[in-house]
Amino acid sequence: EVQLVQSGAEVKKPGESLKISCKGSGYSFTNYWIGWVRQMPGKGLEWMGIIYPGDSDTRYSPSFQGQVTISADKSISTAYLQWSSLKASDTAMYYCARKGYSYDGFDMWGQGTMVTVSS
Amino acid sequence: SYELTQPPSVSVSPGQTARITCSGDALPKKYAYWYQQKSGQAPVLVIYEDSKRPSGIPERFSGSSSGTMATLTISGAQVEDEADYYCCSTDSSGNHWVFGGGTKLTVL
Repeated sequence: EVQLVQSGAEVKKPGESLKISCKGSGYSFTNYWIGWVRQMPGKGLEWMGIIYPGDSDTRYSPSFQGQVTISADKSISTAYLQWSSLKASDTAMYYCARKGYSYDGFDMWGQGTMVTVSS
Repeated sequence: SYELTQPPSVSVSPGQTARITCSGDALPKKYAYWYQQKSGQAPVLVIYEDSKRPSGIPERFSGSSSGTMATLTISGAQVEDEADYYCCSTDSSGNHWVFGGGTKLTVL
């Protein structure tokens, strides 16, 4: 079965670091871009960035450049989203999503990882 | 920065046709993609490359694009189609994606 499985919910304090993961299975992980999408509580979807696990080519939304780091370990078919210093405003659901092989839409999504940042 | 604009809400009765629009300056040259997100669930791609339907998506979902506007049409909307719908596309460079603000579809 082709799927993306994300790491579990996190509760952190402001200033702490965090790395969440997205593991692909059932397909050739290195040949598909993986994107990250934020959804703040009650709000819409926001594209954060995207990575090509084959060569780690990464692009960021200007809104998230410098705020997060996207990486991937192709040896274990896993993409990551990390923060060095969380803020309360980072509280959100984060989705990873696979870009289609021949088109720019995201054809498969992870189940989401809820990140709560609170003192 | 590039923006896609959607109406916040659309409401139809069951069996009626729902149309959700998405406007953006790059849409004449870039494809639109549509996602359905039901409450508490991850989004699902329902239309790609303006008008193509992924396998498993009901035929009542269709898409079109003309000029700077893309449209998602749900012909004979069902109660189970109640959801938030998001359009998505890339900017003119093709290196950045953007989502519209989302449209809440009510079917009742």
